[in-house]
Amino acid sequence: AQTVTQSQPEMSVQEAETVTLSCTYDTSESDYYLFWYKQPPSRQMILVIRQEAYKQQNATENRFSVNFQKAAKSFSLKISDSQLGDAAMYFCAYPLGGSSNTGKLIFGQGTTLQVKP
Amino acid sequence: GAVVSQHPSRVICKSGTSVKIECRSLDFQATTMFWYRQFPKQSLMLMATSNEGSKATYEQGVEKDKFLINHASLTLSTLTVTSAHPEDSSFYICSAQKPGRNEQFFGPGTRLTVL
Repeated sequence: AQTVTQSQPEMSVQEAETVTLSCTYDTSESDYYLFWYKQPPSRQMILVIRQEAYKQQNATENRFSVNFQKAAKSFSLKISDSQLGDAAMYFCAYPLGGSSNTGKLIFGQGTTLQVKP
Repeated sequence: GAVVSQHPSRVICKSGTSVKIECRSLDFQATTMFWYRQFPKQSLMLMATSNEGSKATYEQGVEKDKFLINHASLTLSTLTVTSAHPEDSSFYICSAQKPGRNEQFFGPGTRLTVL
């Protein structure tokens, strides 16, 4: 069965510093997507970044980047130049169905990120 | 863009009553929508897949008679919590996948409190 694991319930970072959030997953699929979502206090889920497993290059979106290690089934999120607005709960997610992407997302337990001024 | 709305944003009801939550895709058609449940400081748990024009499919452990889902049009799915009890109090979130986009767009959620 597919699982997603985030082993860091809480993390904190100083403003302008860099922080890495960890995520591991388990799947027997060879092609799939992986996502990081942000849930701020408003509780609106916001897509941060997406990685396609067949792409060797790590995805990057402005200050957000991933370290995707397919063999290790690891998908960590790096936030550079952290800002106060980055404070939120972050979820790693895997869509059931691999590359066919059924849309059914399996979420990790979440990591609450605190940004200190 | 791709916007998904939910109504109401929060609702308080008495135990034993039923509550309907609406999920709408405002600027795209969604043949499939999803309903999640989230307890405080916990992750989102997939409850069911809402299919336009057909029956919803429920995840293991989710009571289909308690959580009625209707997807009557390509832009609207409803979740009805029947005979609500305090343990049904939670945050309910819907999502929809825009055709051609490999990502889910989430509604803002509905906080249900059952007294």
